[in-house]
Amino acid sequence: KAGVTQTPRYLIKTRGQQVTLSCSPISGHRSVSWYQQTPGQGLQFLFEYFSETQRNKGNFPGRFSGRQFSNSRSEMNVSTLELGDSALYLCASSTRESSYNEQFFGPGTRLTVL
Amino acid sequence: SQQGEEDPQALSIQEGENATMNCSYKTSINNLQWYRQNSGRGLVHLILIRSNEREKHSGRLRVTLDTSKKSSSLLITASRAADTASYFCATDPAGGATNKLIFGTGTLLAVQP
Repeated sequence: KAGVTQTPRYLIKTRGQQVTLSCSPISGHRSVSWYQQTPGQGLQFLFEYFSETQRNKGNFPGRFSGRQFSNSRSEMNVSTLELGDSALYLCASSTRESSYNEQFFGPGTRLTVL
Repeated sequence: SQQGEEDPQALSIQEGENATMNCSYKTSINNLQWYRQNSGRGLVHLILIRSNEREKHSGRLRVTLDTSKKSSSLLITASRAADTASYFCATDPAGGATNKLIFGTGTLLAVQP
């Protein structure tokens, strides 16, 4: 089975722009979660989607949004980019509703905001 | 912040030695998971221990969980240079019905050949 894929792997944007990141989960996985990783704040939960519905959202401003499609692929969007949005964005997929399952992470998208 | 704490922040050992990392967390949990990350890449799941378990083994990994102290430890035995990576604990808070994980601050392990 193919693993979790994320595109693009690297992005460079300037302040004020917006960006869309994509995540394709492992086949059969219906839950997709997004995390932001920075040196200062570490790994922080952004949001989780399950069957096209957002089930949980972390403590991030409304500039961060996401969605999930019927094939479980997910996108996250960041509008009006700020320098502090520079980070590694990771998505993870898992099989069932319960979090007793492990999560499988993609390689991440490295976003640099200039 | 809900973030868990890990110690040490960094650990340097020789190949063949054992490495122990500790994790403390703040809330009641359903389970605790350990992940490895190689230099800014994706996270690799290592092991999951449920709240009603006290110890779990997987190959050279041994994880313990003490819910009364809200702490866990990860032991890597007979370490190899390839074990060099950052290690994170992540907790699944009790009462949640989603896959939200709260990560610790991580331990950077360097295994010298």
